[in-house]
Amino acid sequence: DAGVIQSPRHEVTEMGQEVTLRCKPISGHNSLFWYRQTMMRGLELLIYFNNNVPIDDSGMPEDRFSAKMPNASFSTLKIQPSEPRDSAVYFCASSLKTGENTEAFFGQGTRLTVV
Amino acid sequence: QQQVKQSPQSLIVQKGGISIINCAYENTAFDYFPWYQQFPGKGPALLIAIRPDVSEKKEGRFTISFNKSAKQFSLHIMDSQPGDSATYFCAASGESGSARQLTFGSGTQLTVLP
Repeated sequence: DAGVIQSPRHEVTEMGQEVTLRCKPISGHNSLFWYRQTMMRGLELLIYFNNNVPIDDSGMPEDRFSAKMPNASFSTLKIQPSEPRDSAVYFCASSLKTGENTEAFFGQGTRLTVV
Repeated sequence: QQQVKQSPQSLIVQKGGISIINCAYENTAFDYFPWYQQFPGKGPALLIAIRPDVSEKKEGRFTISFNKSAKQFSLHIMDSQPGDSATYFCAASGESGSARQLTFGSGTQLTVLP
């Protein structure tokens, strides 16, 4: 398995533009998580889905952020309009709870720079 | 509300030494405590995990010590190597429906000097 695949790896955009980050979870996993990592705040959970349904989006910072999971193999995180303070590394992770195993597998992340 | 507190923020250890990272949690509903290791430019990866029914778990040079009454757990890296230099995150979670929502500590940047 190729693991969790995120695209793009790097994104530089101008303030006010729309940004879409993409994630392909590991096949068969039923939970998907979007995290944001910054030096100041560490790893923050933005939203997670279970069986394609958003369960908790309380970590989404503002209405400018939205996430979708139209099917089990694809999710997007959209920022519209983007602001410089959104600059961070965004990680997608997926997991499958089987018995005692609840490991979350992370993608390589998307480094977003908003100028 | 920070539910998992991690210390120290950074740690420098000589090769062959013992690295110790500590975490404390508040939510007594947590029942799964993993440690993740992150190298620069990579996503975090599971290193070792423990459940509260045991006080210690060892995998190679890595050991988790767990103190349920104190709501604390720690990672010990024995015979630390330069290749262990990375950022380490403790985390905790409890059941939330059928998904597990991890709450991460703030991370410890470990540097092992050759």
